[in-house]
Amino acid sequence: DAGVIQSPRHEVTEMGQEVTLRCKPISGHDYLFWYRQTMMRGLELLIYFNNNVPIDDSGMPEDRFSAKMPNASFSTLKIQPSEPRDSAVYFCASSITDNEQFFGPGTRLTVL
Amino acid sequence: TQLLEQSPQFLSIQEGENLTVYCNSSSVFSSLQWYRQEPGEGPVLLVTVVTGGEVKKLKRLTFQFGDARKDSSLHITAAQTGDTGLYLCAGEDDYKLSFGAGTTVTVRA
Repeated sequence: DAGVIQSPRHEVTEMGQEVTLRCKPISGHDYLFWYRQTMMRGLELLIYFNNNVPIDDSGMPEDRFSAKMPNASFSTLKIQPSEPRDSAVYFCASSITDNEQFFGPGTRLTVL
Repeated sequence: TQLLEQSPQFLSIQEGENLTVYCNSSSVFSSLQWYRQEPGEGPVLLVTVVTGGEVKKLKRLTFQFGDARKDSSLHITAAQTGDTGLYLCAGEDDYKLSFGAGTTVTVRA
């Protein structure tokens, strides 16, 4: 079975550009999480969804960040406009209720 | 502010040696989880501990949860080069995970 799928794996963009990260959770999982990992701050939860509904977005750094889950098999994390300090690895994870979270391979974002 | 403090930050040992990494929390979580992350990949769950005083064994890995459910340790016996990676502890509350900064373990051949 395919695990969590993220695209792109690497993204290099210039400051001010819009960036869209994509995630396909494991089929049947009803929770989806977006995390950001940096050397300085480690792995941080940004937002999570349950049954496609955003439950907690308190980790979203600012209004430049937005996330959507239009259906059970797809989610996006958008940054507009992007800034160099947004450079990080962004992970998507999914789970069934309160069971194990399965992480995707991540998207490495570099904002120049 | 990190709710979970992990130590040491880095650990380098020879293959066959034992190692222990620690995770201390300022809060009590519903459960505490240990993950291992390899370069270029996402974290993978190793174990979940829930009950104070709990000890779980996974082959050469032994996980302990403190009685007060605020501290935990991971002990690896006879480390192998395949144990190299970033070990993360995470506290779980209402489906949300709060991660420690991690311990980078390098096992030399």
